[in-house]
Parts: sequence; structure tokens; C-alpha cells
Amino acid sequence: NAGVMQNPRHLVRRRGQEARLRCSPMKGHSHVYWYRQLPEEGLKFMVYLQKENIIDESGMPKERFSAEFPKEGPSILRIQQVVRGDSAAYFCASSTGSGNTEAFFGQGTRLTVV
Amino acid sequence: GENVEQHPSTLSVQEGDSAVIKCTYSDSASNYFPWYKQELGKRPQLIIDIRSNVGEKKDQRIAVTLNKTAKHFSLHITETQPEDSAVYFCAASSGGRTGANNLFFGTGTRLTVIP
Repeated sequence: NAGVMQNPRHLVRRRGQEARLRCSPMKGHSHVYWYRQLPEEGLKFMVYLQKENIIDESGMPKERFSAEFPKEGPSILRIQQVVRGDSAAYFCASSTGSGNTEAFFGQGTRLTVV
Repeated sequence: GENVEQHPSTLSVQEGDSAVIKCTYSDSASNYFPWYKQELGKRPQLIIDIRSNVGEKKDQRIAVTLNKTAKHFSLHITETQPEDSAVYFCAASSGGRTGANNLFFGTGTRLTVIP
């Protein structure tokens, strides 16, 4: 089991460009969660998805941010027209979702907006 | 959603002493409380968790206590070692419509164990 895989590990974008962050959950996991971590800060919940469904997006900014988890392929967190304030580490976690089970984290994608 | 508060934000202890980190939560429906350890530049990793049907759980030098009435839970690390130095996050599960766990995290405690 390869664990939760995120790519890229590091991503540099110029202001105004788009950033696409990918997350492949652990085998057998159908629930994916995205978190943002600013330097020296905690993990802020963004969105919770199951295959083809957004369950909870209460932590997502209203504009420029979107997430999906298609039937096939990884979950994608998309940030349009990035600004410097979007620079952060973005972590994805996955779980089986059955009851309250452990969530496993990926290595994260460190986004830098220049 | 759930609101989790964590204290202290930083904690320094001498090697061999105990460390205690405390968290409170707001949603009385939360019933799963994991603790994660994050070393610099690495992913958060689960170190211990507790469910609402128990009040205490222990795993070697690490223990967690839960008080559902007061809505607070704590992490206790005994006989601390330098390798325990990291940022520790508590979390609570708000359950969600399907009963699955979308976790809400505290703001973290940076623990430093002084040799």
C-alpha cells in the first residue's frame, strides 16, 4: 500500500496563474479531505469529498478555489488566479469513511506564489 | 462546523519530565478525537486516538483523556525524550451527514524537549 500520494511536492506559480494539486488516496479509501497549512500555523479544513460528491466545503474560500474527486483518478484541488496569500502547504488525507477511522495524510504540496 | 481550541501554543520541558496538552471542542456530537504529531517539513501522523465511549487510553508513554461533559480532552506524554520535539495537533470529528470523519484541528502545540 503506497499510502496517500500527493503531487507535485513543490509547485511554483506566478500571480494570476492556475494551480492544480493532486491527491491519490490510499487503496480502499473513498473519502478525501483537503487542509491548508500556513507557515507556523495549524491545519485548516477546506473540503471533504467522496467519489463524485462534495460532502462538506465549508472551509473553502468562496472564489477561485474548487475541488473534485472523480469516479476515476485522483482528487484535484484547483486554485485559479493565484495570489501571494495562497502560498501554503496543502495536505490531503484519506480514510475509509466507515465510522470514525484514522485519516492518513499525504506528504503535502508546498505552493509558492511569486 | 466544529471549533477546536488547543493550549498551550508552545511548551518546553526538560528531558524526562511530562508534557500535557489540552484541547476543547464545541460540537457535542463529536465522538472521535485523534492526536497528530508533525515534525518539521513532514506530514502529520497519528499517534493516538480516543472515541467517546471511553474516558482514557494509554499507549506506552502517551495517554489521552476525554471528558465529554466538559468537552475537553488532553494528551499526556511521560518521560519525554528529545525525539518527542514536534508540533502536536488535536482534532475532533464532527461526524458529517454520512457519519464519516471530517476532522477539525486545533492550532497546534510546539513541544520542545530540552536534553
